[in-house]
Amino acid sequence: GAGVSQSPRYKVAKRGQDVALRCDPISGHVSLFWYQQALGQGPEFLTYFQNEAQLDKSGLPSDRFFAERPEGSVSTLKIQRTQQEDSAVYLCASSPGQGASTGELFFGEGSRLTVL
Amino acid sequence: GDSVTQMEGPVTLSEEAFLTINCTYTATGYPSLFWYVQYPGEGLQLLLKATKADDKGSNKGFEATYRKETTSFHLEKGSVQVSDSAVYFCALRDPMNTGFQKLVFGTGTRLLVSP
Repeated sequence: GAGVSQSPRYKVAKRGQDVALRCDPISGHVSLFWYQQALGQGPEFLTYFQNEAQLDKSGLPSDRFFAERPEGSVSTLKIQRTQQEDSAVYLCASSPGQGASTGELFFGEGSRLTVL
Repeated sequence: GDSVTQMEGPVTLSEEAFLTINCTYTATGYPSLFWYVQYPGEGLQLLLKATKADDKGSNKGFEATYRKETTSFHLEKGSVQVSDSAVYFCALRDPMNTGFQKLVFGTGTRLLVSP
């Protein structure tokens, strides 16, 4: 389809495992965002890419979280040594312009991570 | 810091009832305000927006007016349909404080409409 695609949709990890979550943005979209949504909460900003450059990573909760977008298209969010508090839905969004300049982000359905 | 507060749900209505979902915000700058909607099994999508005080955003029969004096952006619809059942998120963007790249979301309000 033409929307933002995320995989896997569901991931169960044992505490201490590393996980990688993938995002395919809408083709041609310059900006890509990662948000974390804990149960019963709204999405919280993690990081922002403009093309391949990571311009804002102020929301990453610890150095166990790492995101990349090496060719300015697909992005991967990696979480090392997962902990139970990392359990959440990880949302990827993209937009055609710089940042959220119009306020319209196009979200994927999310990857639900459960850490046991 | 910036924040958004929404009324807790679920909001349960019968079809054709009037809907209000309250949203208030705290921001240090002059934010733009948004309502996003998440239908079951789908990603969040922009419903409407307002970029300055007294602006009214509207879409699909929904409306919200940016009220600076009360720091509010309440979502309204005159006659809801079963297909409006979804989770609604109020959000703001405050470029002076957090830049153009970050949206701050409320916790979401689930709307359930019965026939």
